[in-house]
Amino acid sequence: DAGVTQSPTHLIKTRGQQVTLRCSPKSGHDTVSWYQQALGQGPQFIFQYYEEEERQRGNFPDRFSGHQFPNYSSELNVNALLLGDSALYLCASSLLQGYSYEQYFGPGTRLTVT
Amino acid sequence: AQKITQTQPGMFVQEKEAVTLDCTYDTSDQSYGLFWYKQPSSGEMIFLIYQGSYDEQNATEGRYSLNFQKARKSANLVISASQLGDSAMYFCAMREGEDNNNDMRFGAGTRLTVKP
Repeated sequence: DAGVTQSPTHLIKTRGQQVTLRCSPKSGHDTVSWYQQALGQGPQFIFQYYEEEERQRGNFPDRFSGHQFPNYSSELNVNALLLGDSALYLCASSLLQGYSYEQYFGPGTRLTVT
Repeated sequence: AQKITQTQPGMFVQEKEAVTLDCTYDTSDQSYGLFWYKQPSSGEMIFLIYQGSYDEQNATEGRYSLNFQKARKSANLVISASQLGDSAMYFCAMREGEDNNNDMRFGAGTRLTVKP
């Protein structure tokens, strides 16, 4: 039973560019949440997708957008990259009607913006 | 205002000893959940333990236990019989409200180092 997978593992981009990160949820899960974790800090909630719609959103600008596909996988897009977007991006999957503690994280994508 | 406060940036513990990692939280909701995650250098967040606000008993999961003091709004993690593999970052997190999928707020983390 595969857990949450994310790709790519590492990414280096230049300021102003755009980036797409991908996440496949744990088998059976229907909800995907994205978090940004800057160096030395705890993760911060970006947004959550369920049934291909953005269900909740944290305090992030519109440069951050996402998508969820019919197979529940998800993408995080960041436009007009800033140096401050350098971080570990974590994807977490859960079941909307499941237990509160059943949220599983992927290994993350480490984005470096130069 | 900070929702989750972890006041210990770093902690050291001798192998086989117990260690307590502190966490205080701030919420006006009656229903909430508290979580602890371990993050090794690989980056993946590993779920350790969960405590619901209405749970009367302190949660335990193997060597992990959560010392839940509701009136003090604290949810300290106790790791017994520390192992070298316990060296990692530890994050306390909270989810407010009834919705099991509400966003989680994380603390800044505590880096635990287990000495041989």
